[in-house]
Amino acid sequence: QVQLQESGPGLVKPSETLSLTCTVSGGSLSSYYWTWIRQPPGKGLEWIGYVYYSGTTDYNPSLKSRVTISVDTSKKQFSLKLNSVSAADTAVYFCPRITLIGEEIKVDAFDIWGQGTMVTVSS
Amino acid sequence: DIQMTQSPSSLSASVGDRVTITCRASQSISSYLNWYQQKPGKAPELLIYVASSLQSGVPSRFSGSGSGTDFTLTISSLQPEDFATYYCQQSYSVPPYTFGQGTKLEI
Repeated sequence: QVQLQESGPGLVKPSETLSLTCTVSGGSLSSYYWTWIRQPPGKGLEWIGYVYYSGTTDYNPSLKSRVTISVDTSKKQFSLKLNSVSAADTAVYFCPRITLIGEEIKVDAFDIWGQGTMVTVSS
Repeated sequence: DIQMTQSPSSLSASVGDRVTITCRASQSISSYLNWYQQKPGKAPELLIYVASSLQSGVPSRFSGSGSGTDFTLTISSLQPEDFATYYCQQSYSVPPYTFGQGTKLEI
């Protein structure tokens, strides 16, 4: 059974770079898109971006200038870097898997999630 | 970007009630619509995909319907474990994947 686990600093200073890693266990990274989603305290979900196991990436246009997502298949990990952070980047960060699912119509769905990690931006 | 709007934002109900949550897309998304349930302090869980297909392991009291711009999530008989926040999400026109603002279902 595939499991995901986020890790990284829980506190980041303003203007610095937020760095998180998601480790995949119980399965392979192959043939899937792996993604980052965040949730500010008491608010909704925001998609940040994804990486394919081959290294192809795409990002939310609203964050594109500050985001880099990468993958290391040998370590079964993918990572998020968000630079020039501010208090607005304070959130729980999740790393779900994207699965193409359905019969006649197939959709991308976030089917397996990590537990999430809280990151606070503060001096 | 496609905007997803849920109503109501919050809903009070009792065990055994039938409840319906609505999600509206800013443009047609065919059936490219998923629903998630999130409990406090936990990650969201996939409930329904392609608007009406039940994810494996999800109780049959959950159902989804709709296509185009208007969608509904229905819980036929609320159970105590169903009190949570529900999100709709579109994957028709990506990036970005976008979510509704959430509907908090309270006792």
